[in-house]
Amino acid sequence: AQTVTQSQPEMSVQEAETVTLSCTYDTSESDYYLFWYKQPPSRQMILVIRQEAYKQQNATENRFSVNFQKAAKSFSLKISDSQLGDAAMYFCAYRSADDSGYSTLTFGKGTMLLVSP
Amino acid sequence: GAVVSQHPSRVICKSGTSVKIECRSLDFQATTMFWYRQFPKKSLMLMATSNEGSKATYEQGVEKDKFLINHASLTLSTLTVTSAHPEDSSFYICSARPDGGGSEKLFFGSGTQLSVL
Repeated sequence: AQTVTQSQPEMSVQEAETVTLSCTYDTSESDYYLFWYKQPPSRQMILVIRQEAYKQQNATENRFSVNFQKAAKSFSLKISDSQLGDAAMYFCAYRSADDSGYSTLTFGKGTMLLVSP
Repeated sequence: GAVVSQHPSRVICKSGTSVKIECRSLDFQATTMFWYRQFPKKSLMLMATSNEGSKATYEQGVEKDKFLINHASLTLSTLTVTSAHPEDSSFYICSARPDGGGSEKLFFGSGTQLSVL
């Protein structure tokens, strides 16, 4: 079974600064997807960024980028130019590339990101 | 983007009553939907995989007679918490995967906060 570990229960950053959230995972599969989800106080799950394991290039979405190290099974999220609206719980998630439709997401425990003015 | 509608967003009920939560994919078909449970400041825990036209697949430790799932159409799955008790109080979230190959994304509903008195 796959596991996802987020070792930082809480992180703090000041506005305009950069912060990196850590995530490691364990799997025996060679093909899979990795995701970062944001859950603000509204509790709506919002997809921040995704990475396909067979792609070596790190995914980027505006101020959000990942450092994907497949051999090390590491998938960190970097948030640049942090904004107050970035404050939320961030979940790292793993999904098998099995296309049967039954594979779901395995979530880490989450990292609460606090952003101060 | 794809939208998943979940309602009610909040429900308060008396102990012993049953509560139904609906999850609808508004602009896509989803043979498979997933139901999660989230405790305060905790991660999402998969409860069951809902399959249109067949019985749901429950995760270990989840009582199928307590949490009834009906996936009546390609756009609707319902979770009924039967004979609810205070320990069933939690945040319940559904997600849906669009049919068609190649879609690794899951789209989430906005969640339902259940409080059992």
